[in-house]
Amino acid sequence: ELKVEQNPLFLSMQEGKNYTIYCNYSTTSDRLYWYRQDPGKSLESLFVLLSNGAVKQEGRLMASLDTKARLSTLHITAAVHDLSATYFCAVDRTSGSRLTFGEGTQLTVNP
Amino acid sequence: SAVISQKPSRDICQRGTSLTIQCQVDSQVTMMFWYRQQPGQSLTLIATANQGSEATYESGFVIDKFPISRPNLTFSTLTVSNMSPEDSSIYLCSVEDPRGNEQFFGPGTRLTVL
Repeated sequence: ELKVEQNPLFLSMQEGKNYTIYCNYSTTSDRLYWYRQDPGKSLESLFVLLSNGAVKQEGRLMASLDTKARLSTLHITAAVHDLSATYFCAVDRTSGSRLTFGEGTQLTVNP
Repeated sequence: SAVISQKPSRDICQRGTSLTIQCQVDSQVTMMFWYRQQPGQSLTLIATANQGSEATYESGFVIDKFPISRPNLTFSTLTVSNMSPEDSSIYLCSVEDPRGNEQFFGPGTRLTVL
């Protein structure tokens, strides 16, 4: 059974600081996704990582994937308040595009 | 990216009743899925909605409780049957981009069962 673990689950940071969210998964997978969810809203797709060593960046967020270590990271650079949200990683099981989600990381960026 | 709509956006229901949630996509997609997000929790896959055949359910979910229809490549319904307060959740449909690289989520249906 595929397990996906994120840490930390709660993250409070100051504006301007850097931090990394980690996503570990237990079995081989072809794809890893990062989503953002604002309170009361649906999920917004941030990144799809398709291969070992993949790195994608959008604004202050950068995601990477190490399939050998079964680890993905979401790095936040110079955080701003607008980044406050819950971030989920999700791993595609080996067939059928069925996603297993991590527990989510609730990020709060304080002025 | 696909544009996904869901109806209703929210509902409050009495225990023992059933609610059918609709998911409409603006383009034809092969893969459609239904997820549940319980309060303060992550998302859990309920089932894959297969066009022209019975849905494929994940462990812990059964057709009698969550019947699903998929009459064509742009539409699906999920029914939550014989509801109890434990069914209070957000129900989201998702679709896989036809190019196969992304999954997009609908706005969700927030269900409260009293």
